[in-house]
Amino acid sequence: DADVTQTPRNRITKTGKRIMLECSQTKGHDRMYWYRQDPGLGLRLIYYSFDVKDINKGEISDGYSVSRQAQAKFSLSLESAIPNQTALYFCATSETGQPNTGELFFGEGSRLTVL
Amino acid sequence: EDKVVQSPLSLVVHEGDTVTLNCSYEVTNFRSLLWYKQEKKAPTFLFMLTSSGIEKKSGRLSSILDKKELFSILNITATQTGDSAIYLCAVVEFGNEKLTFGTGTRLTIIP
Repeated sequence: DADVTQTPRNRITKTGKRIMLECSQTKGHDRMYWYRQDPGLGLRLIYYSFDVKDINKGEISDGYSVSRQAQAKFSLSLESAIPNQTALYFCATSETGQPNTGELFFGEGSRLTVL
Repeated sequence: EDKVVQSPLSLVVHEGDTVTLNCSYEVTNFRSLLWYKQEKKAPTFLFMLTSSGIEKKSGRLSSILDKKELFSILNITATQTGDSAIYLCAVVEFGNEKLTFGTGTRLTIIP
């Protein structure tokens, strides 16, 4: 089983629908992240959480919300999906408190298409 | 605004060639630079660099950081078709420890 699991892996939806992408991890990491990847734009940070009570906006948080239900679970919601939210979404985790860290462990990605 | 710029955006070479991928950055409080390889799915970690001039090496891949000129290179020698991927560079800053990614270089190896 993967250490970082995302569901669903693929989703097609219509404009205006509410969508939730879920992420769970078995790595025991405190830090969790949601990124989106678009062709030519690399990975951009949507939200991140350094522990269950800590939620922070990334560079492109508009139109998204998150919930950190437990140390192991971090979900991303699109309250009213729009076509330009069509992208590949990655959940990632990282360890806390290690010097010179920064390494992210990624899930397999969730491909979302908004029609 | 912090920036991470990778070049070239795309590169096509023949198997056996050597390639050099570039990553330049402008961040306020640099801590480390990371390289990832992304094939069809999730990015996988290659190297983390924190000090100038110290080469990190893994098989045919190597990377080095220049903190004075604010760039890093990733070299791949004797390329193989399995090296075809998007290579991502990311920078971590002190204080927030978030990764800022570049746009990536798409490398294609022709047999």
